[in-house]
Amino acid sequence: DAGVTQSPTHLIKTRGQQVTLRCSPISGHKSVSWYQQVLGQGPQFIFQYYEKEERGRGNFPDRFSARQFPNYSSELNVNALLLGDSALYLCASSFVRDTEAFFGQGTRLTVV
Amino acid sequence: GQNIDQPTEMTATEGAIVQINCTYQTSGFNGLFWYQQHAGEAPTFLSYNVLDGLEEKGRFSSFLSRSKGYSYLLLKELQMKDSASYLCAVRDRTNAGKSTFGDGTTLTVKP
Repeated sequence: DAGVTQSPTHLIKTRGQQVTLRCSPISGHKSVSWYQQVLGQGPQFIFQYYEKEERGRGNFPDRFSARQFPNYSSELNVNALLLGDSALYLCASSFVRDTEAFFGQGTRLTVV
Repeated sequence: GQNIDQPTEMTATEGAIVQINCTYQTSGFNGLFWYQQHAGEAPTFLSYNVLDGLEEKGRFSSFLSRSKGYSYLLLKELQMKDSASYLCAVRDRTNAGKSTFGDGTTLTVKP
């Protein structure tokens, strides 16, 4: 079985641009969560989606948005990129909301 | 809100046992997770505790005391490949699905 897959693996963007990151959960998993991880810190929760609805939101500005599709894949969008948005963006999927989550390999975003 | 504390760094010798502690404060506890993260890679799931006590899985064990807001991860028979960051995460009952992570404990295993 394929694990959680994320694309792209690496991305370089300029300040002010917009970016879309994609995540495909493990087959059968209905919940997807997004995290931001800055070097030297633990992952910070951004969003959780379950059954195509937003079920949880972390302390991130409105520049961050996400959605989940009928096949349970998900996209994370970040508008008006700032240098401080440079980080590893992790997607995690779980069968339902409260079970253990399995992470994808992440997307390394660099904003210059 | 939630606050999680774990040591920043630990060093141990190959073949030894190491215990990584995690203390937390939370407004609504709904489970504690341990993840392993090698440099440049994604976290991988190690263990999940929701009730008090010890959960054992091979060389790894995790303990939880909800009344004390305390957990530890025990690694036995350390191997060089165990050198990694170990992340403690607490799930929030009031914000379903949200897990708050500590900043991780970087474990270095020396020969």
